[in-house]
Parts: sequence; structure tokens; C-alpha cells
Amino acid sequence: EPEVTQTPSHQVTQMGQEVILRCVPISNHLYFYWYRQILGQKVEFLVSFYNNEISEKSEIFDDQFSVERPDGSNFTLKIRSTKLEDSAMYFCASSDRRQSTGELFFGEGSRLTVL
Amino acid sequence: KNQVEQSPQSLIILEGKNCTLQCNYTVSPFSNLRWYKQDTGRGPVSLTIMTFSENTKSNGRYTATLDADTKQSSLHITASQLSDSASYICVVSSNAGKSTFGDGTTLTVKP
Repeated sequence: EPEVTQTPSHQVTQMGQEVILRCVPISNHLYFYWYRQILGQKVEFLVSFYNNEISEKSEIFDDQFSVERPDGSNFTLKIRSTKLEDSAMYFCASSDRRQSTGELFFGEGSRLTVL
Repeated sequence: KNQVEQSPQSLIILEGKNCTLQCNYTVSPFSNLRWYKQDTGRGPVSLTIMTFSENTKSNGRYTATLDADTKQSSLHITASQLSDSASYICVVSSNAGKSTFGDGTTLTVKP
């Protein structure tokens, strides 16, 4: 069964360092998303991406965040200068339709620990 | 403001028992409601997705109901198993394309 894959599964970094989290969405999907879940808290929407551009972003997704689809398969989330409060589980998701109509398929997540 | 409220926050039941989780929402205009199961440290996995016209949908031992008039949904788990221990998240999407996540209900099934 097709699945969304994410790497790395766990990354530890020092505050101020740049981090890139990678995702390979399901191959025929066109809509891509990043979510964040701080330990013990709810899943929070970060950004959605369609047709090679951001279609929507939340207040959390400030200038230190960026997303890119560098080739036909990968979808990346870059955090330019990490802060302690960026420590969280980051989930990538993809869908063959808009978030309002399609089913979201989530990856297993990348756990980011900022020291 | 779009909101999704789930209850109870946590629930402990014995293996083999049934349980029902609740989700109330204020999302408008409504597009669909989804229930996800999230095992600890894993990504959410879809259980059911319901549109406005659907009032019940089953997936094995999971049955979701939707009352679009009262803006309430429930997830009923029948004959619970230890593997059902997880967080269950209600997600409601609007026609504008926004999805609002609930805080989840943490279910613990004990032997």
C-alpha cells in the first residue's frame, strides 16, 4: 500500500542551526502538507503546498520556515534557525484532493529535538 | 472561530468493552469530518471520513456517526482490544479548505 515516508525519524540539533526535514508523498498525490505536534499537545497545521507554491500557511509558519519541492518526489520543510520551542514531531501529509475533500495520508513523523 | 471539541479527554476501559468518543464542532461551512487514530509516537491514520449527507460509517469495529444539524459526531468502538489504545482525533474541514483538529481523546484499554 502506498505510504508517505519521512526522514530523518529523529534529529537532534543545536539552537540556531538549520534543519531540513524530508518527505516523499504518495506518488500520484498533488497536495502536500506539514503539521507539527509538540509533545502532549494537539496536531497543528503549518502549511499546505499545491502546484509548486504555498496555498495556505498558519501563524506558526513564520519567516524561519520554508518549504520546497526540489524534484518530482521530495517535499522538504526547512527551519532556518531553530529555537528551543521548535522541538516537536513534524508530520508530512499528502492527498489527491484539497484538504476539504480528500483524505490525508500522514507519514510517521520526524522528531526534532532542539538543545 | 472554527473549533472542534472532543470528550472525554481520556478514557480507560477493560478489554472487550465498548466505548463512545464524542466530537462537537463549530466549523462552517462544513465539508467533511474525519476520525484518525494516532498511536504514541506515530502519524495519524484515517479511520473514517464523512460528508454532510452521511450519518453513519463503519470501519471494522469502528463506527462513526454524524449529526450535521447539531454538529456532533461520535466514534463507537466495539469489543475493544489492547491495540485500540491510542489517541483518537476528530478533524473537521470547511469548504474553504481549512481543517480544524480536535485535541484528541486518549483511550487506554486494559486487560
